[in-house]
Amino acid sequence: NAGVTQTPKFQVLKTGQSMTLQCAQDMNHNSMYWYRQDPGMGLRLIYYSASEGTTDKGEVPNGYNVSRLNKREFSLRLESAAPSQTSVYFCASSPRSSSYNEQFFGPGTRLTVL
Amino acid sequence: RKEVEQDPGPFNVPEGATVAFNCTYSNSASQSFFWYRQDCRKEPKLLMSVYSSGNEDGRFTAQLNRASQYISLLIRDSKLSDSATYLCVVSGWGSQGNLIFGKGTKLSVKP
Repeated sequence: NAGVTQTPKFQVLKTGQSMTLQCAQDMNHNSMYWYRQDPGMGLRLIYYSASEGTTDKGEVPNGYNVSRLNKREFSLRLESAAPSQTSVYFCASSPRSSSYNEQFFGPGTRLTVL
Repeated sequence: RKEVEQDPGPFNVPEGATVAFNCTYSNSASQSFFWYRQDCRKEPKLLMSVYSSGNEDGRFTAQLNRASQYISLLIRDSKLSDSATYLCVVSGWGSQGNLIFGKGTKLSVKP
């Protein structure tokens, strides 16, 4: 089992460019999440998908869109990147849509927007 | 008031020391509590869940005080490999599995 995988690992964009961050899990988990982690801010939830076919906004959704492509895959799209979106992005998955379950994280994508 | 607050750290301790981390949370409706560990430039990984009765896993002991909305993590006999950032995590709004993460406390164990 690879667990949660993310691509790319690193990315540099210019302001205004778009890109999609990919996430996949092979644990048959129902719920998937996208976080960003900034120095001094901790992990903040961007979007989540409680189950296949549903997505909801988290704490900091502005400037992002998501797609739950199937049970395995959950992508995060930046339509017009801004320097404020420079961050480390983590995808996570959880067995069920319940806060009693731990979340398993991918290795992260380090994004720099110039 | 921030939802999850932790000791700011960093904690610099010698090998073999006992170190305690504290955390407070603001949402009295939170039902689940965790400690995650995050190594430098790596993803967070679950260290242990925290139960109302307290729980122990080897050198690690977690305690929960619901009345005070307070969580603690005790590490005994610190090892060099314990050096990491420790994140206090509590369940957030609704029942969708959302978790609220503290900013973390950095621990550095020195020889």
